[in-house]
Amino acid sequence: EAQVTQNPRYLITVTGKKLTVTCSQNMNHEYMSWYRQDPGLGLRQIYYSMNVEVTDKGDVPEGYKVSRKEKRNFPLILESPSPNQTSLYFCASSLFRGRDTGELFFGEGSRLTVL
Amino acid sequence: QKEVEQNSGPLSVPEGAIASLNCTYSDRGSQSFFWYRQYSGKSPELIMSIYSNGDKEDGRFTAQLNKASQYVSLLIRDSQPSDSATYLCAVSSGAGSYQLTFGKGTKLSVIP
Repeated sequence: EAQVTQNPRYLITVTGKKLTVTCSQNMNHEYMSWYRQDPGLGLRQIYYSMNVEVTDKGDVPEGYKVSRKEKRNFPLILESPSPNQTSLYFCASSLFRGRDTGELFFGEGSRLTVL
Repeated sequence: QKEVEQNSGPLSVPEGAIASLNCTYSDRGSQSFFWYRQYSGKSPELIMSIYSNGDKEDGRFTAQLNKASQYVSLLIRDSQPSDSATYLCAVSSGAGSYQLTFGKGTKLSVIP
């Protein structure tokens, strides 16, 4: 079954405690991206990756890091989480064919609470 | 800053009616347009993509694009209660651009 898998699905943590949200896709997609979704603000892109070792900032990259060492995995790293990073996070992937990067498959989401 | 605007709703329509969802965008160079559906507590799922001016039909869904007016819409014919969800418009500058900008979504309620 084609899918994008995120872990953990739910996490409560404290300010400053480093955490990683993993994302893995089994569709051999080249393009992967992270979004956060907040009430009243919609979906906002954090980082994206066009292929292995190629990443770039989205609209709200501050406080986040990413890496793409393998095609299937695209983890999101919060080095020192703060309460304003409390949000619902989505990982997504798509085939990279220029405009088709917008045809995204989303993971189920990771709800993060930073106290 | 690229912007994608949608009426937040809620938009309420009776079962069997046509639901019309609208979206405007600020970047005149945008090339690719997408509609996603998001049920409450779930992740977004792609329902339509459109790249050229005019209409594109898929079952009960029709996407309409007017680049001159910077306007894209989604029509849902014979609306069903199962269509009740938030509909997200997304816009990309197309080939060579890897950023996708989402609108904040329109919440649709289909009343039985």
